[in-house]
Amino acid sequence: KQEVTQIPAALSVPEGENLVLNCSFTDSAIYNLQWFRQDPGKGLTSLLLIQSSQREQTSGRLNASLDKSSGRSTLYIAASQPGDSATYLCAVINSNSGYALNFGKGTSLLVTP
Amino acid sequence: SQTIHQWPATLVQPVGSPLSLECTVEGTSNPNLYWYRQAAGRGLQLLFYSVGIGQISSEVPQNLSASRPQDRQFILSSKKLLLSDSGFYLCACGRVGGYTFGSGTRLTVV
Repeated sequence: KQEVTQIPAALSVPEGENLVLNCSFTDSAIYNLQWFRQDPGKGLTSLLLIQSSQREQTSGRLNASLDKSSGRSTLYIAASQPGDSATYLCAVINSNSGYALNFGKGTSLLVTP
Repeated sequence: SQTIHQWPATLVQPVGSPLSLECTVEGTSNPNLYWYRQAAGRGLQLLFYSVGIGQISSEVPQNLSASRPQDRQFILSSKKLLLSDSGFYLCACGRVGGYTFGSGTRLTVV
């Protein structure tokens, strides 16, 4: 069964710092990997989708990489801002369960002014 | 792009009462549909998925059920709620190319 782990569970940084969130998964036979953001009490907002054949995706200050063979992904946030404060979730897709997303427990990020 | 409408946003129900949460999708046809639950301190748990009308698969044994009466409608139900059913319920749609989530329903069973 696919297990997704996110490290760290929580992170607090001062505004302006660059930071890296880590995600690992046990079954490398994935179709793709998706990073989401969740604000308190809200639904999920998709940030980046990396297909299994890709190595990275970029959107603005966000860059996500994928090393499928080692079962790892990182989300890099450049020049962090207080508005980046949220929980970041990593999810992978295998062929089981109707191609459902398998989620990690998330990294709770706090960016202080 | 696809949009998910999910309601209600919050719900407080007594133990033993019935439940019906609805999710509708716009902007796509024949999507895969999913119900997830997010309990405090836990990750997102897949409850049900559907790959077509009337086709429901359950991931965990529980007193909840799901139905898909129309292509873009997905319903989560219970005949009698338990305290352990409290949580944040999210509907999602999509396929391998990407997924979209609804805004969620916060259910508190008292």
